[in-house]
Amino acid sequence: EADIYQTPRYLVIGTGKKITLECSQTMGHDKMYWYQQDPGMELHLIHYSYGVNSTEKGDLSSESTVSRIRTEHFPLTLESARPSHTSQYLCASSDPGQGTETQYFGPGTRLLVL
Amino acid sequence: KNQVEQSPQSLIILEGKNCTLQCNYTVSPFSNLRWYKQDTGRGPVSLTIMTFSENTKSNGRYTATLDADTKQSSLHITASQLSDSASYICVVSAGRAGGGADGLTFGKGTHLIIQP
Repeated sequence: EADIYQTPRYLVIGTGKKITLECSQTMGHDKMYWYQQDPGMELHLIHYSYGVNSTEKGDLSSESTVSRIRTEHFPLTLESARPSHTSQYLCASSDPGQGTETQYFGPGTRLLVL
Repeated sequence: KNQVEQSPQSLIILEGKNCTLQCNYTVSPFSNLRWYKQDTGRGPVSLTIMTFSENTKSNGRYTATLDADTKQSSLHITASQLSDSASYICVVSAGRAGGGADGLTFGKGTHLIIQP
């Protein structure tokens, strides 16, 4: 069982609201990632971080932002939620010290924007 | 463009039967290939990771194969159980040379249903 946590697990919110999806891991991993996944579709990388104070945009354009102030914490923020943001958001972490970096995923946050 | 294609898209088999899931990729350069199991409403969990030099790897009832020449991989599940019902995702890494975060390309997955 991976020690990576996401809250909330489910969120229903109205258009225009600001939301923050939390992700934390207790494995001391330097690398962390945020993916977006629609039902039956592949994961798309939206943000990643190689360590504290490092954040990069992923392959999929996203209106969200992230921060990495602490190794264990990698929150994702949407300043103004829209229905097009409805999706599942998955956080992951990995240890670059491994030969082949296994990614450990959190349980995900299912977001519904009305 | 790097791509990972999985087949079939979905599969229904009876409990106790074997099945094989396919993954074809066009990812360059190639670093490693991973199979993940994703239960409904959960995050993916790693089953196997194979590098270029490995052509088979097992994890319990799961056996993955890799043919780096034809750029194909398969995941064989033996004596299926109801708990095997999940999506199985093939992920190919191009390493840091592939850009982004480790150059990972995800397949859409095969949705497997085990019926009693």
